[in-house]
Amino acid sequence: RKEVEQDPGPFNVPEGATVAFNCTYSNSASQSFFWYRQDCRKEPKLLMSVYSSGNEDGRFTAQLNRASQYISLLIRDSKLSDSATYLCVVIPSGTYKYIFGTGTRLKVLA
Amino acid sequence: DAGVIQSPRHEVTEMGQEVTLRCKPISGHNSLFWYRQTMMRGLELLIYFNNNVPIDDSGMPEDRFSAKMPNASFSTLKIQPSEPRDSAVYFCASSLVGHNLEKLFFGSGTQLSVL
Repeated sequence: RKEVEQDPGPFNVPEGATVAFNCTYSNSASQSFFWYRQDCRKEPKLLMSVYSSGNEDGRFTAQLNRASQYISLLIRDSKLSDSATYLCVVIPSGTYKYIFGTGTRLKVLA
Repeated sequence: DAGVIQSPRHEVTEMGQEVTLRCKPISGHNSLFWYRQTMMRGLELLIYFNNNVPIDDSGMPEDRFSAKMPNASFSTLKIQPSEPRDSAVYFCASSLVGHNLEKLFFGSGTQLSVL
């Protein structure tokens, strides 16, 4: 089983739609979680951190479910510019090892 | 700040040749990471350094791969001999890690093609 798993998609959604991605992780001792965004042929960039209590940044909401070992990303009112691959990142406790999922591709359609 | 700088941006080589990828992390960062990205396997962590010391190289695929960090401002990833299956985008990233984990800053990557 992979350490971090994501549905590769693609998720094709119309502009204005709400879309959610999940990411599961296998190491229950994982301590830190992030969502990164990667545009085609570009480097990944941090989208947001994921806190235990959940957090929101504008149209983006991230949540952590430790009991079920998954994190989620919700995007409201999707924009064309949200089209990208979304990567979740998990860091096992006691390490600085940033482990990436394979990413979920989102296409927002006009 | 110029960000993480990688060179070359593109490398095309023939099977069996030695390939050296270079990375200059962001000044002041204490950790450096090498990743490989392919369509099939996504972003794989190859090795990471903390204060110039290799901490975990369990992701290095074979003895053909080696990485060094002789000082805080420079790192290399070498493949010798290269094989077609090494073709991928290689990213270097740096961070200032400590009590609170900080975000990774990535370079633009090196697109490697081994023919």
